[in-house]
Amino acid sequence: DSGVTQTPKHLITATGQRVTLRCSPRSGDLSVYWYQQSLDQGLQFLIHYYNGEERAKGNILERFSAQQFPDLHSELNLSSLELGDSALYFCASSVRMYNEQFFGPGTRLTVL
Amino acid sequence: KNEVEQSPQNLTAQEGEFITINCSYSVGISALHWLQQHPGGGIVSLFMLSSGKKKHGRLIATINIQEKHSSLHITASHPRDSAVYICAARGGGSEKLVFGKGMKLTVNP
Repeated sequence: DSGVTQTPKHLITATGQRVTLRCSPRSGDLSVYWYQQSLDQGLQFLIHYYNGEERAKGNILERFSAQQFPDLHSELNLSSLELGDSALYFCASSVRMYNEQFFGPGTRLTVL
Repeated sequence: KNEVEQSPQNLTAQEGEFITINCSYSVGISALHWLQQHPGGGIVSLFMLSSGKKKHGRLIATINIQEKHSSLHITASHPRDSAVYICAARGGGSEKLVFGKGMKLTVNP
C-alpha cells in the first residue's frame, strides 16, 4: 500500500458524459501527478500540481482539467468523453518536486 | 521513435535465473525511474537514480549517463517477480516523465 488513494476504482459511463476522478496523496506529499495508461499508448504524463499550483502539463486534452485543493487532494475532470478515453488513470504523489513518486491503485474508466 | 526504448519486450525465465532488463533513452535526463506493474494493474516505484547503481534486496539498477542507458537486474528470480517493468526518464528541470512501453517478465517455477 503506497498511501495514495484513488476513487472510484472502476467507472463505467457513456460517451459525451463527464466524470471526476479523485486522488488523495500520501500524508505530507505536496506534489500530485496524473497519468493515463491506455493499451495502445502506454503510460503518459498528463499534469503535475505542486502545493496547489499547476507546474507541468503533458499530453492532456482540452476536454480534461485538473486541480489540487488546499488540503492537497486532487481531482481530474474528464468531459465530453469519447470511447478512446477508456483507460487506467493513475495519480502519484511525492514529497516535493524531483522526488520518487508513489502511485495510487488507479481508476479504470470504461466509456461505452 | 520513442524517446525511451526498452528491451526485450517480453521475457520468460525459470525460477532462479539472473534477469537483465534494458532501457535506453535519447534525451538528456535528470533521473531515471524503474517501475513495476503487477498483473492487477498496481504500479510500484522500484528505483529512482541519476547516476551509478542502487540495490534493494534482489534488485539492482544501474545507469550510464554518457551512454544513455540503464539496466535493471533481478538476481535469483522468483515467480512473484512476474510483472511488467517500466522505465521512465525525467528531463532536466522538468517533472514530466516519459515512459518506455514496458517489458513483460514471466518467471516460471
